[in-house]
Amino acid sequence: DGGITQSPKYLFRKEGQNVTLSCEQNLNHDAMYWYRQDPGQGLRLIYYSQIVNDFQKGDIAEGYSVSREKKESFPLTVTSAQKNPTAFYLCASSIQRGQPQHFGDGTRLSIL
Amino acid sequence: DQQVKQNSPSLSVQEGRISILNCDYTNSMFDYFLWYKKYPAEGPTFLISISSIKDKNEDGRFTVFLNKSAKHLSLHIVPSQPGDSAVYFCAASPDNNNDMRFGAGTRLTVKP
Repeated sequence: DGGITQSPKYLFRKEGQNVTLSCEQNLNHDAMYWYRQDPGQGLRLIYYSQIVNDFQKGDIAEGYSVSREKKESFPLTVTSAQKNPTAFYLCASSIQRGQPQHFGDGTRLSIL
Repeated sequence: DQQVKQNSPSLSVQEGRISILNCDYTNSMFDYFLWYKKYPAEGPTFLISISSIKDKNEDGRFTVFLNKSAKHLSLHIVPSQPGDSAVYFCAASPDNNNDMRFGAGTRLTVKP
C-alpha cells in the first residue's frame, strides 16, 4: 500500500541538540510538506518542497532545516536554534501543489 | 494571524443525528476548501473538498457547504455514527498556491 511513513513516532531531544525527523513517501508525489501542531492551534507550515532539490520556507521556518535529495524523502532537522521545539510534527505530500495532501502519522518531539 | 478559524473546539451529538462543523475564513483570496479528519495517533486524512465556483459538494453522508459572501463553510454529517468521532480540520488555500491554512480543529464525539 502506498503512503507516508514518519519515524520515529516519539522523539526526545536534549537541550542544544539537533534532531532529524524522517519522512518517506511511496506515492510518487512531487510536493512534500512539514507542519507543526501545537495545542489549540491549526497546522502551521514549516517548509515545503515542490520538486527534488528545491524547497521553500513556510510560516515558521526559523530553527528548522530540510533537504530534498530524493523524491521520496523529505527529512526535517530541528536545530538547537529552535527554542520551543516541543510539538507534534506532521509530514504530508500531494501530487502537485494545490491538491489534497496525504499525511503521515506524525512524530511527537519532547525536550528532556 | 489565524486566517482559518474553527471556533468550536468540541461538539457532541447523538448517533443518527446530524453533525454540523463550522469554519470561518478571513482571506478573500481563498478559493479551495478542504476538510480533514484525524483519529488519535494518526495523521489527518482528506475527507471532502469544495472549490469557490460551487456552494455545495456531497459525498455520501458528508456534505460541505460554502457561503462565499459570509466567508463561511460547514461540514454536515448525516447520519452521524460513532466511528465519525475524531478531530475535524478545515483548510483553505488560493487555488494556485501551496499556502494551505488550517483551522485549529473541532473534536466531534458521536454518542451511541
